Amino acid sequence: QSALTQPRSVSGSPGQSVTISCTGTSSDVGGYNYVSWYQQHPGKAPKLMIYDVSKRPSGVPDRFSGSKSGNTASLTISGLQAEDEADYYCCSYAGSYLYVFGTGTKVTVL
Amino acid sequence: EVQLVQSGAEVKKPGESLKISCKGSGYSFTSYWIGWVRQMPGKGLEWMGIIYPGDSDTRYSPSFQGQVTISADKSISTAYLQWSSLKASDTAMYYCARLQQLVQFDYWGQGTLVTVSS
Repeated sequence: QSALTQPRSVSGSPGQSVTISCTGTSSDVGGYNYVSWYQQHPGKAPKLMIYDVSKRPSGVPDRFSGSKSGNTASLTISGLQAEDEADYYCCSYAGSYLYVFGTGTKVTVL
Repeated sequence: EVQLVQSGAEVKKPGESLKISCKGSGYSFTSYWIGWVRQMPGKGLEWMGIIYPGDSDTRYSPSFQGQVTISADKSISTAYLQWSSLKASDTAMYYCARLQQLVQFDYWGQGTLVTVSS
């Protein structure tokens, strides 16, 4: 069960959009519509931002959106803001009560 | 308000045992799985395993099977992660998190830092 592959870093200026990819296999990302995304600021616990590929929990700004195509899921942050600078992790259900996280992506706001 | 409160930081020597805890409140503790996640210094999140406090059904990541033990005491709404013989490579932050509908970790504890050093 290998970690899902994410780019190490992405960056954008305030107001721009950035997209983070999360590539797995047909046994995890491609096999289930159960991809979630987590934001982690330095020294803090992760926070759920997206679940079931594209659903946002209450309180998460609508500039965060998720999608999936085949074995790759994506998180898009539109209208990038300074407070969005953080690490982001995807996570997929992999069947039989197994879960796998992505390698993590550092988002930098220029 | 849903809360998961973890026990405090630990400093241990290699070979020692350790049990850290995660106390849930604000929801029915026996109705949701609790997961444990490791984050080594400067590294990413790794899923370790989950437990259903209602009946103590436990599932482990193949990477952590046999390396740790996950348990729960539903009478005090607390889940545990334990080691029988710590190694320096167990140095990490450990998070517990509630598993919603078996597919997303919706509430997280504040983390417990475990340092193993001789």
